[in-house]
Amino acid sequence: GDSVTQMEGPVTLSEEAFLTINCTYTATGYPSLFWYVQYPGEGLQLLLKATKADDKGSNKGFEATYRKETTSFHLEKGSVQVSDSAVYFCALSDYGQNFVFGPGTRLSVLP
Amino acid sequence: GAGVSQSPSNKVTEKGKDVELRCDPISGHTALYWYRQRLGQGLEFLIYFQGNSAPDKSGLPSDRFSAERTGESVSTLTIQRTQQEDSAVYLCASSLSGAGVGETQYFGPGTRLLVL
Repeated sequence: GDSVTQMEGPVTLSEEAFLTINCTYTATGYPSLFWYVQYPGEGLQLLLKATKADDKGSNKGFEATYRKETTSFHLEKGSVQVSDSAVYFCALSDYGQNFVFGPGTRLSVLP
Repeated sequence: GAGVSQSPSNKVTEKGKDVELRCDPISGHTALYWYRQRLGQGLEFLIYFQGNSAPDKSGLPSDRFSAERTGESVSTLTIQRTQQEDSAVYLCASSLSGAGVGETQYFGPGTRLLVL
């Protein structure tokens, strides 16, 4: 079945550091890919998404590019802020059916 | 418009009791999902409703778990004879149709269940 693998956390960075959170997937079809974020005490919300190969999703300074050849959707940000501290979930949706989420990666950004 | 709402926000129960969790999706959303998130873990799919189709129950962990949805509105997740291992945050999400490519899920705040 479909699956999503994310890098193990927690990830701790200093403010203004570069962030990469790796995500790879396996899918039988041609999935859409998502990053969701869960800030402390809040519900999950969509951060960005991409629906086809080589698409780049971007939001709030975060970016991720759909790489079909490497089945990856790594999340990047050039300069993180304390307010980016959260848990980040990579997910896929195959033909709009049920979503499959990765285990989440906790990011802590220190001032 | 209003987002996905869930109630109660917190529930403490004794082992062996039944609990009922409620989800109100975004108006007009035909697809509704339930997930479980144990402490420090990722999301575990439980059940998926889409319109009038038969629900996808493949994620329900045991026959103690069941869910219903009335038309395209409210859904109720019921856990019978609760066990301590059921303690988790139960998340509900809805999406417009559940069939669109790249369709976004909108999550509720969750119900935090603690079984003593």
